[in-house]
Amino acid sequence: GESVGLHLPTLSVQEGDNSIINCAYSNSASDYFIWYKQESGKGPQFIIDIRSNMDKRQGQRVTVLLNKTVKHLSLQIAATQPGDSAVYFCAETLNNAGNMLTFGGGTRLMVKP
Amino acid sequence: DGGITQSPKYLFRKEGQNVTLSCEQNLNHDAMYWYRQDPGQGLRLIYYSQIVNDFQKGDIAEGYSVSREKKESFPLTVTSAQKNPTAFYLCATSPRGTEAFFGQGTRLTVV
Repeated sequence: GESVGLHLPTLSVQEGDNSIINCAYSNSASDYFIWYKQESGKGPQFIIDIRSNMDKRQGQRVTVLLNKTVKHLSLQIAATQPGDSAVYFCAETLNNAGNMLTFGGGTRLMVKP
Repeated sequence: DGGITQSPKYLFRKEGQNVTLSCEQNLNHDAMYWYRQDPGQGLRLIYYSQIVNDFQKGDIAEGYSVSREKKESFPLTVTSAQKNPTAFYLCATSPRGTEAFFGQGTRLTVV
C-alpha cells in the first residue's frame, strides 16, 4: 500500500514468541513478492520471496503466506530474537513490466527481552 | 551491499546548492533505482532505470535528476529545487525477475 506521509506501525513481541507482520499489496496483477528487513541506518536486506503461483513458502525461521483473493501478504517469524528487531517491508512487482518494485509502508518490529 | 556502493555515507548540503550522490554496482544488473526514506517512514521511489541511457520518473522526482551513461553507475543529483532534501537515500539494483539489492544508503542533511 501507499506509505507517503504515514509513520510506521509498530509490533512489539516478547523474545521467543512468534511474530506475524502483515502487508496489503496494491496491484492484483503483481506476480512476485518480497519481504525485506531494514536495520537502523542500513539498506534493506532480502529475507524471503514468493511467486503468485504459490501460497506459502518457508525459509529458516521465516514463512511467507500469500492470499491473492484479498491481496494480503504476511511474514511469520518463529521464536523471535532481539536481532530480529528492525523495520520490515513488503514489495510487489509485475514481472511482465520489468523489475519495477512497489514497496509497502513497512512495520517496525520491537523484540522485548 | 554486496556489490553496490553508495557514496558518501554522510553528506551535508547548504541551501541552494546542488549535490550528487553516487551509486556504483558490479553485479551486472540491468535495473537501478533511487529511493528516498524519511525518518520512521517507508521507501518512496525517485527515479529508476531499466537500461543504459534510459530512465523514468518515480513518485517523487521533482527536484531530482539522474543519468545512466554506464550500466554500472546511476548518480542522483539533488537540485536546489528540492525544498526538503534532508533524508536517507537508498540505491538499489535488480536483474530481471528477482529481488532488488540495496546499497547502504547516503544520509543527506541540509545545513
